[in-house]
Amino acid sequence: KQEVTQIPAALSVPEGENLVLNCSFTDSAIYNLQWFRQDPGKGLTSLLLIQSSQREQTSGRLNASLDKSSGRSTLYIAASQPGDSATYLCAVPSNAGGTSYGKLTFGQGTILTVHP
Amino acid sequence: DTEVTQTPKHLVMGMTNKKSLKCEQHMGHRAMYWYKQKAKKPPELMFVYSYEKLSINESVPSRFSPECPNSSLLNLHLHALQPEDSALYLCASSHQGPERLVPYEQYFGPGTRLTVT
Repeated sequence: KQEVTQIPAALSVPEGENLVLNCSFTDSAIYNLQWFRQDPGKGLTSLLLIQSSQREQTSGRLNASLDKSSGRSTLYIAASQPGDSATYLCAVPSNAGGTSYGKLTFGQGTILTVHP
Repeated sequence: DTEVTQTPKHLVMGMTNKKSLKCEQHMGHRAMYWYKQKAKKPPELMFVYSYEKLSINESVPSRFSPECPNSSLLNLHLHALQPEDSALYLCASSHQGPERLVPYEQYFGPGTRLTVT
C-alpha cells in the first residue's frame, strides 16, 4: 500500500527566501507525481506534474524534482512571496490498470506561511 | 480552458433533506472524481467515473449517490446525511485512455462547502 509523507508539516519564512518542500513515497513504481496548492477553504490548484521518466519540471518560480529510486520529490520555491502562503500537497496515482485506476494517494500537506 | 466548476459553493441541509451537488467540465475529460475533504486533512477519494461508468466506489455509504449523466457532468445526490458528513466536497477530472493504463493530471474544482445540521 502506497504511503506518502510530507516534511515539514508547517513552515514559516520571511519574504524573499528560497525554500524546499519534501515529499516521500514508499512504493517507487509510480507513473508520475503531482504537486498541488490549496488556499484555505478552496479547491486544489495543480502546480506541476512530473512524469516518472523526468527528473525535473519547472513552472515560473517553482521547480519540482523526482528521484524514483529513493522515493522522493522536492518542490523548490524561489524568492518566496506572501501570496505563496497556502497548503502544498503532493500526490501519487495508484499503479496503472486494475480496480484502483485514478486513485491519488495524498501526503498530509505542508502549510506554508510567507510573512512580509 | 482547464476549469472545473462546482455548484453550489455552500450548502446547508438538515438530516432529512435531499440535495444534489453538481460538477461540470468542458475539457473533454472522460474520468471524473468525487473527493471529500475534512478540515486540515488531505482529500479522500469517494467515487471515480470512467467513460460515464462508475469504476471506483471507496465503500461510501449509500446516503451518497453519484450520477454521471454525460461526459461533462457529474452529480452527487445527498439524502439523510449525518452531521459528520459536513466537509468540503471536491470534484476533479482528467484525461483517460480506454485501456486505463496511464494516470493523467487531475484538475480540481473549487469545491462545495457542505454543512449538515
